[in-house]
Amino acid sequence: QITLTESGPTLVKPTQTLTLTCTFSGFSLSTSGVGVGWIRQPPGKALEWLALIYWDDDKRYSPSLKSRLTITKDTSKNQVVLTMTNMDPVDTATYYCAHINLGYFVMDVWGQGTTVTVSS
Amino acid sequence: QSALTQPASVSGSPGQSITISCTGTSSDVGSYNLVSWYQQHPGKAPKLMIYEGSKRPSGVSNRFSGSKSGNTASLTISGLQAEDEADYYCCSYAGSSTSYVFGTGTKVTVL
Repeated sequence: QITLTESGPTLVKPTQTLTLTCTFSGFSLSTSGVGVGWIRQPPGKALEWLALIYWDDDKRYSPSLKSRLTITKDTSKNQVVLTMTNMDPVDTATYYCAHINLGYFVMDVWGQGTTVTVSS
Repeated sequence: QSALTQPASVSGSPGQSITISCTGTSSDVGSYNLVSWYQQHPGKAPKLMIYEGSKRPSGVSNRFSGSKSGNTASLTISGLQAEDEADYYCCSYAGSSTSYVFGTGTKVTVL
């Protein structure tokens, strides 16, 4: 059974850097065809894909946020970390991580999400 | 990369069928048969309902079906039930650089 859990600060100040951790079980990020993605959802708004990392350390970023995002993995700890620099109140959202099955190019299992508020 | 376009809301009575459209471009929906659909109840994480345009994960009711024509994908819910009331999002693979793009979301109301 695949599970993912997001963790990180609930409140960050404008201009600060956000660091979120996705801790997962039920799969290994060293297995071919597997990835982990990050998605966010501002209150009352739509989902937005942010970034992903594959088993071979290939990384992809949303073109609109690429300059602010970094995604890394620690295979031994079963964790994926997303950092977002220069946080702004518009970045207030629930942030989700999800397991990616590259065989079907689908984010098939999601974590429960973690809510981040950007405010001074 | 712009979000895929979905109707803001769709409604139907119990037992009826409804269809949600998801319009993209030749760079995403039109180029790949890799559209997925997610159901999201208030305060909950999205749940995968359809992948590769028309395939259902294990455990998803066969009342949910997906299709695609050109740059538009569709999700049909037949035999509408009260528990189907939720927000629905489409998502398309959009190539190796952009990777994924989500739809604007549709609120389904069961009358």
